[in-house]
Amino acid sequence: GQQVMQIPQYQHVQEGEDFTTYCNSSTTLSNIQWYKQRPGGHPVFLIQLVKSGEVKKQKRLTFQFGEAKKNSSLHITATQTTDVGTYFCAGPRYGNKLVFGAGTILRVKS
Amino acid sequence: DAGVIQSPRHEVTEMGQEVTLRCKPISGHNSLFWYRQTMMRGLELLIYFNNNVPIDDSGMPEDRFSAKMPNASFSTLKIQPSEPRDSAVYFCASSFGQGGSYEQYFGPGTRLTVT
Repeated sequence: GQQVMQIPQYQHVQEGEDFTTYCNSSTTLSNIQWYKQRPGGHPVFLIQLVKSGEVKKQKRLTFQFGEAKKNSSLHITATQTTDVGTYFCAGPRYGNKLVFGAGTILRVKS
Repeated sequence: DAGVIQSPRHEVTEMGQEVTLRCKPISGHNSLFWYRQTMMRGLELLIYFNNNVPIDDSGMPEDRFSAKMPNASFSTLKIQPSEPRDSAVYFCASSFGQGGSYEQYFGPGTRLTVT
């Protein structure tokens, strides 16, 4: 079935280092969404990408959607302790259900 | 807006008991989703409603689980009888628009422990 795979599963970085998480789908996606879940919290919507090759920025966060609309990435420049949490990508399945990746857990050492 | 409201926030119950989780979506949103999150299985969609009608319940694990949405501002997820393997965080989310093309707003979740 349609899956959304996310890597790495876990990353531990020194504060100030960059961080990237990758999302891959077995099929073309109409859009991809990114969410962040702080420890003990709930997923919070970050952004949605719709166009092939789209790049969007939110301060230190850069989101990309692949040309084939099968992959996406989230890059954080110069991580801070406030960036800790789990980052999920999610894509629609059969049109109307969001399928979430397993998430990448980010830990930041200060 | 108050956001998605869920109750209770924590529930501890004994195996065999009935558990009812409640959700109030954001006013004006017409889609509502119930998710379950565990370390082993991640974030799983259980069921989703559009305009109060269940659209897809293929994620509901078994007959012990049922969900209702009697009106646009209220939904329940019931587990009867509960089992220890049902222990998880249950999230309700809502969106404006149907399904996978719209951002979803999650509630704070209900942490369920079945002993």
